[in-house]
Amino acid sequence: QQQVKQSPQSLIVQKGGISIINCAYENTAFDYFPWYQQFPGKGPALLIAIRPDVSEKKEGRFTISFNKSAKQFSLHIMDSQPGDSATYFCAASLSGSARQLTFGSGTQLTVLP
Amino acid sequence: GAVVSQHPSRVICKSGTSVKIECRSLDFQATTMFWYRQFPKQSLMLMATSNEGSKATYEQGVEKDKFLINHASLTLSTLTVTSAHPEDSSFYICSAYRGDTFGSGTRLTVV
Repeated sequence: QQQVKQSPQSLIVQKGGISIINCAYENTAFDYFPWYQQFPGKGPALLIAIRPDVSEKKEGRFTISFNKSAKQFSLHIMDSQPGDSATYFCAASLSGSARQLTFGSGTQLTVLP
Repeated sequence: GAVVSQHPSRVICKSGTSVKIECRSLDFQATTMFWYRQFPKQSLMLMATSNEGSKATYEQGVEKDKFLINHASLTLSTLTVTSAHPEDSSFYICSAYRGDTFGSGTRLTVV
């Protein structure tokens, strides 16, 4: 019930291309869905987050698409750059002032120059 | 924006010794902080929830006597790895501010 499944495990994209990472969840009580970017040896940094009352959210080159009925959400990175090469994690949490996050397994993104 | 500071960033200790990791909220008060553990090329696994002024809540399988958590103030939570062994070597990360702002992590190596 608490799992968040993420795919693909790794992704290689050419510079300028679109990177797409998918996640699926089971617990319909989740109401907060963030995406994190993590570089080696660093903590995760919040990229963008969405709540289930909207189907899409865009911030710069990053877009979250959310499908509540399918219990799926995805991250799209437009015009991917070599500097975007990192590990990306989706996550989900229940409502509350302090969010205990359940993380996906991560996607290692490599953007080729 | 909210900043979570974590120290040290790296620590090497001998087997059998204890190590303390600090997690501070710099510009906000955090009644709740979370501690995660991350092995190489793996995801973050929640270890415990740290609550200011009360006992921490540990996830199943996490030894509370080995991983001591103290949250004595609204801006500081500490994780002490007691009697560390090589299998405790890992990347430890804390989070605060609604749980979605993370510290920079601590790489613990036990030799």
